[in-house]
Amino acid sequence: SQTIHQWPATLVQPVGSPLSLECTVEGTSNPNLYWYRQAAGRGLQLLFYSVGIGQISSEVPQNLSASRPQDRQFILSSKKLLLSDSGFYLCASLGAAGALETQYFGPGTRLLVL
Amino acid sequence: AQKITQTQPGMFVQEKEAVTLDCTYDTSDPSYGLFWYKQPSSGEMIFLIYQGSYDQQNATEGRYSLNFQKARKSANLVISASQLGDSAMYFCAMREYNNAGNMLTFGGGTRLMVKP
Repeated sequence: SQTIHQWPATLVQPVGSPLSLECTVEGTSNPNLYWYRQAAGRGLQLLFYSVGIGQISSEVPQNLSASRPQDRQFILSSKKLLLSDSGFYLCASLGAAGALETQYFGPGTRLLVL
Repeated sequence: AQKITQTQPGMFVQEKEAVTLDCTYDTSDPSYGLFWYKQPSSGEMIFLIYQGSYDQQNATEGRYSLNFQKARKSANLVISASQLGDSAMYFCAMREYNNAGNMLTFGGGTRLMVKP
């Protein structure tokens, strides 16, 4: 079974500062990878997904970007954070659930922009 | 239009009783999958159960079962014998197979609170 790591677990950053959140996956190869954001008490918003190295699709226009430098590494970045970037960021990987496939999630990163 | 709708923002259930969390979906893709996730206060998203659009039988996984009514486009989660540890947010999600990234669309969630 696969394992998804995210760091940092918690981050407090000032407005206008840069951001780099990292996600790595173990136990699978060539996974589809996803970045979601969840505002407090709300559902999940898909930000980016990637079907392979260097392939990034953006679902929501914003000041965030994503990169996939390696097969099992997915990075979420920003050059200048906004207050509205605060939230819970989840990385997910498509993986097998028996004979089927579902998305498995990492533990998440809580970002507070002040 | 919302693709996944969870109409119950919050629900209470007595410990040891069963509870049904509602989920309706909208798709024109004949091939799709429906998922339920649990999110406790720690924030992790835990995969619970899956139902494929062509599955003839309702999915079951321990105390979780999915009441799949295809004609009504509903995929309700039933939790039997509720436990205090079941208190969490629950999200219904759908994956349409006719999309490049195999993305999931999530509902707004239902907060379940189990009373002792």
